[in-house]
Amino acid sequence: DGGITQSPKYLFRKEGQNVTLSCEQNLNHDAMYWYRQDPGQGLRLIYYSQIVNDFQKGDIAEGYSVSREKKESFPLTVTSAQKNPTAFYLCASSNRPGGTEAFFGQGTRLTVV
Amino acid sequence: DQQVKQNSPSLSVQEGRISILNCDYTNSMFDYFLWYKKYPAEGPTFLISISSIKDKNEDGRFTVFLNKSAKHLSLHIVPSQPGDSAVYFCAASVAGTASKLTFGTGTRLQVTL
Repeated sequence: DGGITQSPKYLFRKEGQNVTLSCEQNLNHDAMYWYRQDPGQGLRLIYYSQIVNDFQKGDIAEGYSVSREKKESFPLTVTSAQKNPTAFYLCASSNRPGGTEAFFGQGTRLTVV
Repeated sequence: DQQVKQNSPSLSVQEGRISILNCDYTNSMFDYFLWYKKYPAEGPTFLISISSIKDKNEDGRFTVFLNKSAKHLSLHIVPSQPGDSAVYFCAASVAGTASKLTFGTGTRLQVTL
């Protein structure tokens, strides 16, 4: 089945530690995105990538980093510089830059303890 | 600056009646609009979309209306069913810009028996 897989579903991190969230897609989509959802807020764009080896900052990129070494994979690292990392993180992909519907993974709930 | 606004955080509707979810936007460059449905701890799923060249798009029980002059769109669900209970996000994009979606804050729909 084609889709987007995020892992893990739940993640706990100690303050001061970096953590990497995985996102893999087998939809052959060129574009991939990371969003963050907080209670009472919409989804906010962290980073996006239109093609392999290229990515751009979204609206709230500070404290995050990404890589796009393979078309299928777009991991997100939450660094210790991120002041408020506890949130629900969503990865998405779409079939072309400027394409229409984005398909989302199931999300990763990150909690800093 | 919230470019996409959903001013009603919640809505309760009886089963069988019509649900109307509203969305306003401020960026006149937006020309593609989408509605996503989201259950707790899951990723959003695409529901229906509309291009700015149309003022209505229908898919089964779901109809989206776009009023460009008012920068307003709405999602109608008729008839509403208990399984429709979820959070609905309105999103907008500018064609040709890597499908960056700008999301509203969501409206929680509760369909009661």
